[in-house]
Amino acid sequence: NAGVTQTPKFRVLKTGQSMTLLCAQDMNHEYMYWYRQDPGMGLRLIHYSVGEGTTAKGEVPDGYNVSRLKKQNFLLGLESAAPSQTSVYFCASSWLRSYEQYFGPGTRLTVT
Amino acid sequence: AQKITQTQPGMFVQEKEAVTLDCTYDTSDQSYGLFWYKQPSSGEMIFLIYQGSYDEQNATEGRYSLNFQKARKSANLVISASQLGDSAMYFCAMREAVSNTGNQFYFGTGTSLTVIP
Repeated sequence: NAGVTQTPKFRVLKTGQSMTLLCAQDMNHEYMYWYRQDPGMGLRLIHYSVGEGTTAKGEVPDGYNVSRLKKQNFLLGLESAAPSQTSVYFCASSWLRSYEQYFGPGTRLTVT
Repeated sequence: AQKITQTQPGMFVQEKEAVTLDCTYDTSDQSYGLFWYKQPSSGEMIFLIYQGSYDEQNATEGRYSLNFQKARKSANLVISASQLGDSAMYFCAMREAVSNTGNQFYFGTGTSLTVIP
């Protein structure tokens, strides 16, 4: 099993450009999450999904959109990138809310 | 107010000694969960241990144990017999229920642990 994979691993964007980060899991998990990690701030939840076709806002959702059209995939979109979105983005999945989250390797995004 | 507070930015421990990493949390929910994750320098996040708010016994997983003091709202991680491979960032996290369909997860700012040979 690959677990949780993220595509791409690195990306550099110019301000105003758009992009989509792809997260895929092969563990049949119901829950999926997108976090960002900034220096000195720990991880912050952007959006999450409790199942196919459902999404919900996390702590810092502004500037991001998500979709979960298939159970195994969770997409994170940036419509108009800003330098403040420079961060490392982690995707995670879990069976249920009380179970441990399995994390992907992260995507390092730089917006210039 | 911070949901998760980790007051130790950096800690040092001698190999084979035990170390306690502090975590306090803030919630008004009765049902919540507490997690600890490890992040080595390679960057991946590794689950270590989980404690539910209704669990009466402290959680243990091998060399890891969670010292859960509900009244004090603390969930300290104890690592026994430290190994060089334990050198990493450690994050405390909390799941807080928002509605019947979802939750919020909050992470602390982390504690950097260095194990000295």
